[in-house]
Amino acid sequence: GAGVSQSPSNKVTEKGKDVELRCDPISGHTALYWYRQSLGQGLEFLIYFQGNSAPDKSGLPSDRFSAERTGGSVSTLTIQRTQQEDSAVYLCASSPTSGGSSYEQYFGPGTRLTVT
Amino acid sequence: AQSVTQLDSHVSVSEGTPVLLRCNYSSSYSPSLFWYVQHPNKGLQLLLKYTSAATLVKGINGFEAEFKKSETSFHLTKPSAHMSDAAEYFCVVSDPYNYGQNFVFGPGTRLSVLP
Repeated sequence: GAGVSQSPSNKVTEKGKDVELRCDPISGHTALYWYRQSLGQGLEFLIYFQGNSAPDKSGLPSDRFSAERTGGSVSTLTIQRTQQEDSAVYLCASSPTSGGSSYEQYFGPGTRLTVT
Repeated sequence: AQSVTQLDSHVSVSEGTPVLLRCNYSSSYSPSLFWYVQHPNKGLQLLLKYTSAATLVKGINGFEAEFKKSETSFHLTKPSAHMSDAAEYFCVVSDPYNYGQNFVFGPGTRLSVLP
């Protein structure tokens, strides 16, 4: 079946512009996660959704970052007034549910964001 | 709190020789543990997972890992490396009581396979 998809795959933007990154999770997965991976670094947790609500936004690095999820499916991560330090790969993952430690997360291919 | 240590940031092996990627974890509970692989410019793919069943876990592409509670380790092994194994590998411990940031990632180990 279809996996997690993300769009665009690559995004180049000028400093100060807003960008929207999209994630389509696996159908039926209620949990959705956003991570950021900077060059040569590990994964940095950004935000988690259970259904349409985001009980854990603790990883968002600043108020320029926001995310929403509609219909318990598609999620959009928005970065306003982009800065060069926002350049990274943004990964989305989904899971059948949250907690319950045996559930793995299924990752999308990522969106590579470059801020010039 | 959960944590993961991957003892080597970079491992280099010759094709056909064994692979050992080390992972140690810290957990207050009986954890679930995962290994993911990330090939260049790709997302993360699950290699294998341990969820309190058999301590020796077999995964895809000939990889396996052994859960050793006494050593708090979950090392990843493969008997014979292939060129296609060159990638970044992440060890993950799951916190069953954290419903948000329930995956704790290690920093990753980059595996190079020499011809």
